Amino acid sequence: DAKTTQPPSMDCAEGRAANLPCNHSTISGNEYVYWYRQIHSQGPQYIIHGLKNNETNEMASLIITEDRKSSTLILPHATLRDTAVYYCIVRSGSSNTGKLIFGQGTTLQVKP
Amino acid sequence: NAGVTQTPKFQVLKTGQSMTLQCAQDMNHNSMYWYRQDPGMGLRLIYYSASEGTTDKGEVPNGYNVSRLNKREFSLRLESAAPSQTSVYFCASTSGDGLNQPQHFGDGTRLSIL
Repeated sequence: DAKTTQPPSMDCAEGRAANLPCNHSTISGNEYVYWYRQIHSQGPQYIIHGLKNNETNEMASLIITEDRKSSTLILPHATLRDTAVYYCIVRSGSSNTGKLIFGQGTTLQVKP
Repeated sequence: NAGVTQTPKFQVLKTGQSMTLQCAQDMNHNSMYWYRQDPGMGLRLIYYSASEGTTDKGEVPNGYNVSRLNKREFSLRLESAAPSQTSVYFCASTSGDGLNQPQHFGDGTRLSIL
């Protein structure tokens, strides 16, 4: 599975968009980009995932660059409850374990 | 809409004691996983079950055993607990082999071994 690089921490003002970057320069063509978050040591919460195209759901948007070497998770209107550790994970389409490899993630602090 | 349920939520054991952590999912998922998370670290896979009747080792299986009791339930057993197994344990499940399906996690079991 490709390795990801994320900034260790970021701040965001409440009500503003939070843009969390992730580099995955060694990603292969069949590998998906997944985003999870973990709040107060609760279980990781699935946010969104994509392969090539940009994706949007009720929680967030995922923008993947054309060369697929990086992506950005966008929380359009951050709230205090979005304060969490955000994990960007690249999963191989050839893997048969289905496991997720978690890195250190980005700690997002949403401030009033 | 329970999702993935883990019991117990907290447990304190003495070194050498045994214990089974329970996990059940109500989403009719085929694959289930056990992870552990230590302070300041990401999750590490202990064991997984790709489908009912099968189990395989993950990254850190030593000291653990698992049982896929049926499609819903996947248990993790510590036969002789050691302080190094103090951790937060998370169970997860997914519908297929997870390639294009997200894993859904339980809220964890916080285990302390004295």
